[in-house]
Amino acid sequence: AQKITQTQPGMFVQEKEAVTLDCTYDTSDPSYGLFWYKQPSSGEMIFLIYQGSYDQQNATEGRYSLNFQKARKSANLVISASQLGDSAMYFCAMREAPHQAGTALIFGKGTTLSVSS
Amino acid sequence: DTEVTQTPKHLVMGMTNKKSLKCEQHMGHRAMYWYKQKAKKPPELMFVYSYEKLSINESVPSRFSPECPNSSLLNLHLHALQPEDSALYLCASSQGGQGNYGYTFGSGTRLTVV
Repeated sequence: AQKITQTQPGMFVQEKEAVTLDCTYDTSDPSYGLFWYKQPSSGEMIFLIYQGSYDQQNATEGRYSLNFQKARKSANLVISASQLGDSAMYFCAMREAPHQAGTALIFGKGTTLSVSS
Repeated sequence: DTEVTQTPKHLVMGMTNKKSLKCEQHMGHRAMYWYKQKAKKPPELMFVYSYEKLSINESVPSRFSPECPNSSLLNLHLHALQPEDSALYLCASSQGGQGNYGYTFGSGTRLTVV
């Protein structure tokens, strides 16, 4: 069963607008972490934001915020004031039992974001 | 030193060649990972080493052979690869604990099999 679901293969946004990238997840582990990564065409996996399952507040990092709805098992990424450099592939990922050293990060299929001027 | 270093960055190899990918970290992380990523697809987990022991092998063909000589180094030995094995190979390392601080990716090796 797919543990991370990203339903938007592609998203298009104008510069300076906000955009929401969707992510839902499935786990029975009470302890987990949710991540968003940006991957430009260079291939580098750039960490954007993290939300722990026990965190009470939604995570924010500059222009990035994570809309965490635990009961709905969703962790949407919101990018405010989009920039041309935000054009890239975005992956949602989950790590179960993050307190253990060898638990792997599992990725969703990704969303390609295109920002136009 | 807060990074994972992968070498080489690019590799072209024939189907009869033997080559190795190298991954190194000096953050004291005790788990290291290999992922394979095809174009426009998510990274797929291949192998997990935890405390220098292979803990997960995701049914990867035997032409890929991982090795963890010590806690800082992870190799991926390649032999008799097929053109469909051409991909970006990402290495990562992690420590236990909450937070993202413990999961770090290298910049990857772009492998082309001819």
